[in-house]
Amino acid sequence: DTAVSQTPKYLVTQMGNDKSIKCEQNLGHDTMYWYKQDSKKFLKIMFSYNNKELIINETVPNRFSPKSPDKAHLNLHINSLELGDSAVYFCASSQDASGGAYSYEQYFGPGTRLTVT
Amino acid sequence: EDKVVQSPLSLVVHEGDTVTLNCSYEVTNFRSLLWYKQEKKAPTFLFMLTSSGIEKKSGRLSSILDKKELFSILNITATQTGDSAIYLCAVYIRLGSNYKLTFGKGTLLTVNP
Repeated sequence: DTAVSQTPKYLVTQMGNDKSIKCEQNLGHDTMYWYKQDSKKFLKIMFSYNNKELIINETVPNRFSPKSPDKAHLNLHINSLELGDSAVYFCASSQDASGGAYSYEQYFGPGTRLTVT
Repeated sequence: EDKVVQSPLSLVVHEGDTVTLNCSYEVTNFRSLLWYKQEKKAPTFLFMLTSSGIEKKSGRLSSILDKKELFSILNITATQTGDSAIYLCAVYIRLGSNYKLTFGKGTLLTVNP
């Protein structure tokens, strides 16, 4: 069984379009994350949700809007895509972030490779 | 600004060699340090370290943390071609009442037969 899954795995789109990436975890975790990994493989956190509530919002353009319909799902919607948005986007999950996340490892999904042309 | 610095950025060795990967950090509210291995896809968890001087071991891999000197090392003995990957170091930092994981830029390890 896949623990953290993302769809789609690949996404090729043109500048100015709007697209969404979906993430689901079946680990029963409370906290989910979105990361962006650039071409140099640098992995940086974008957002974190705990029980559907946004708890971390790094300096990310407003064109990126996460949505968590329930604690097992965290989707990422991106408006007006730009060339610089091309990257691999990873979803991750862990147990309780607000209570003591530093005791728990994060489990990563397989990534979504977004290419903006 | 919180920093996690890994060295070297890349390393090429031959099968059977022993390698040591370094991770140093300068952060304001350190909680724990994690090592991940990333092959083609998702990073996979290796170790979590919270206390100084206690070695964590898994097969040929081991890691230790020094909270006084603010660094950790990841050792791989008798390397195999399957160890080729990017090794990521990450530090949990307290952010208000929450915690975030800050990653270093990784060390690309290539093990040649």
